[in-house]
Amino acid sequence: EVQLVQSGAEVKEPGESVKISCKASGYSFATYWIGWVRQMPGKGWEWMGSIYAGDSDIVHSPSFQGQVTISVDKSINTAYLQWSSLKASDTAIYYCARHGYSSSSHYDYWGQGTVVTVSS
Amino acid sequence: QSALTQPASVSGSSGQSITISCTGTSSDVGFYNYVSWYQQHPGEAPKLMMFDVNNRPSGVSNRFSGSKSGNTASLTISGLQAQDEADYYCSSYTRSNTHVFGTGTKVTVL
Repeated sequence: EVQLVQSGAEVKEPGESVKISCKASGYSFATYWIGWVRQMPGKGWEWMGSIYAGDSDIVHSPSFQGQVTISVDKSINTAYLQWSSLKASDTAIYYCARHGYSSSSHYDYWGQGTVVTVSS
Repeated sequence: QSALTQPASVSGSSGQSITISCTGTSSDVGFYNYVSWYQQHPGEAPKLMMFDVNNRPSGVSNRFSGSKSGNTASLTISGLQAQDEADYYCSSYTRSNTHVFGTGTKVTVL
């Protein structure tokens, strides 16, 4: 059974750093792309970028490039999303999701979401 | 990249059919057949309902169907049931090698 299990909620102050994770199981991790999606409070979804777990090739959304770092550790089947200096506007739910067959395709499995709250 | 346009809400009575539209441009919905649809119940992870315009994943009811005409894709739910009440989002791949999501539609079963 394919599962994506995300790390728990984070509460941070502006300027702090954070790294959230997405642990995959039930499939060959290194042969799929993983994407990250943001859902701000009361808003829709935004694609942030996707990474190929096999070689860490990344496709960024122009809206998020330079704002976040996407990475993977294929030795432990885990993808990451990190910020070096959080802003209040980063408060959102962040989902990881597996692409179906390529970086251009749909998301066939999703994590449960990680809530990141940034407040002073 | 602007979000794809969906109606904010669609409602129907139990047993009826409803259609959710998803309007993009000739650079996304109109260019590729990489249109997908997702269902999200409150507090739950999203679920894939349709991919590549009209392909249903295993386990998704055949009451759900997808189509596309020009720059607009559609998801039709026939025989509406209480458990279909949820938020629905469309998504498309774009000529800029990015993904764009729809604005989201709340489906209410009357």
